[in-house]
Amino acid sequence: NAGVTQTPKFQVLKTGQSMTLQCAQDMNHNSMYWYRQDPGMGLRLIYYSASEGTTDKGEVPNGYNVSRLNKREFSLRLESAAPSQTSVYFCASSDWGRGTLGEQFFGPGTRLTVL
Amino acid sequence: GENVEQHPSTLSVQEGDSAVIKCTYSDSASNYFPWYKQELGKGPQLIIDIRSNVGEKKDQRIAVTLNKTAKHFSLHITETQPEDSAVYFCAPGDDKIIFGKGTRLHILP
Repeated sequence: NAGVTQTPKFQVLKTGQSMTLQCAQDMNHNSMYWYRQDPGMGLRLIYYSASEGTTDKGEVPNGYNVSRLNKREFSLRLESAAPSQTSVYFCASSDWGRGTLGEQFFGPGTRLTVL
Repeated sequence: GENVEQHPSTLSVQEGDSAVIKCTYSDSASNYFPWYKQELGKGPQLIIDIRSNVGEKKDQRIAVTLNKTAKHFSLHITETQPEDSAVYFCAPGDDKIIFGKGTRLHILP
């Protein structure tokens, strides 16, 4: 099993450009998550999907959109990138549903720089 | 919303000694208390977790203790080894988890 995979690993964008970060998991998990990690800030939740077909905002959703394409895939889109979105982005999945928490499995991350 | 604080932010420990990291939280509804380890260039990985009906859990050199009344829980690592050097995050929660800002642990030779 590959676990949680993310593409790309690295990306440089210019201000105003758009891009989509891809995430896939092969563990048949119901829940998937997108986080951003900035120095000294820990991980902050951007969006999550408790099950296929549903998405909810997290702590810092502004400037992002998500799509839960199917049970395996959860993508994060930046429509008009800003320097403040320079960060490392992590996707995670979990077998636990809404209201019940459990282990989250993280991907290797995407390092995004917006110039 | 949940306010999560970790202390200390940086910890240096001699190899073989013990390390303790404390996490305080504000939401009394929190019922899940995990600790994650993040090595350089990788995503976080769960190392131990505990639920609110248990006061302590141990897994070899790692243990977590919970004080629900005082709203804090701690990670204990005994007989530290070089591979324990990493950043550790607590992430307490109810229906959503909130990550602490992390503790960078250095194991000194």
